[in-house]
Amino acid sequence: KQEVTQIPAALSVPEGENLVLNCSFTDSAIYNLQWFRQDPGKGLTSLLLIQSSQREQTSGRLNASLDKSSGRSTLYIAASQPGDSATYLCAVREGGAGANNLFFGTGTRLTVIP
Amino acid sequence: ETGVTQSPTHLIKTRGQQVTLRCSSQSGHNTVSWYQQALGQGPQFIFQYYREEENGRGNFPPRFSGLQFPNYSSELNVNALELDDSALYLCASSKGQGPTNTGELFFGEGSRLTVL
Repeated sequence: KQEVTQIPAALSVPEGENLVLNCSFTDSAIYNLQWFRQDPGKGLTSLLLIQSSQREQTSGRLNASLDKSSGRSTLYIAASQPGDSATYLCAVREGGAGANNLFFGTGTRLTVIP
Repeated sequence: ETGVTQSPTHLIKTRGQQVTLRCSSQSGHNTVSWYQQALGQGPQFIFQYYREEENGRGNFPPRFSGLQFPNYSSELNVNALELDDSALYLCASSKGQGPTNTGELFFGEGSRLTVL
C-alpha cells in the first residue's frame, strides 16, 4: 500500500527566508503528485500538480520538483511571507487520471514569523 | 466558474444518529470523491462517484454510503454514527476520464462533523 511521508511535521521561519518542504512516497508507480495548502479548519487549495512524466512545476514563488525513481518531491517556497503560514499537504495518485484514490501525507505545518 | 461547495459547514450529532452531507462539484467536472480528515491527519479516501456510479472505495464500512445525481452533485450518508466519525469531511471534484483530464482534484471547504 502506498505510504506518503512529509518531513518536517512543523517548521517556523522568519519572513523572507526561502524554504523547502519534503514529501516521500513508497511506491514510485504514480500517475501524478499534487501539493495542497490547508488553512486551519478549511478545505484544501491546490497549489501545483506534477505529472509523472514531469520533473518540476512552478507557480509564482512556488516550485515543486518530482523524482519519481527515488520516491521524492520537494516544494520550494521563495521569499516566505506571513500569509504563507498554513499546513502543506502532498498527495500522490496511482493509476490513470480517472483513478479513485489520492494518498496523502500528514502535512507540514508552516509558520512564517513577521 | 464556480468551485466545489459543501453543506452544511458544521454540524453536531449524537452517537447512533444518521447524517447527510452535500457537495456540488465544480462546473464541468463529472467525478466526485469524498475524504475524511481526522484532526492532525491527512485526508483518507472514502469513495468516488463517476456518472452516478460508485467506482472506487477506500477502507470504510458500508454504513458510509453515497449518491451522485445527474447534475454531478453528490451526497455522503453516514448511518449509526460513532464517536470516531468526528472529522472534517471533504468533497473533491475532477473531470474524470478522458485524454484531456490531468487528474487534478479541487476540494471544497469541508463539513465539520462532531459526534457526541
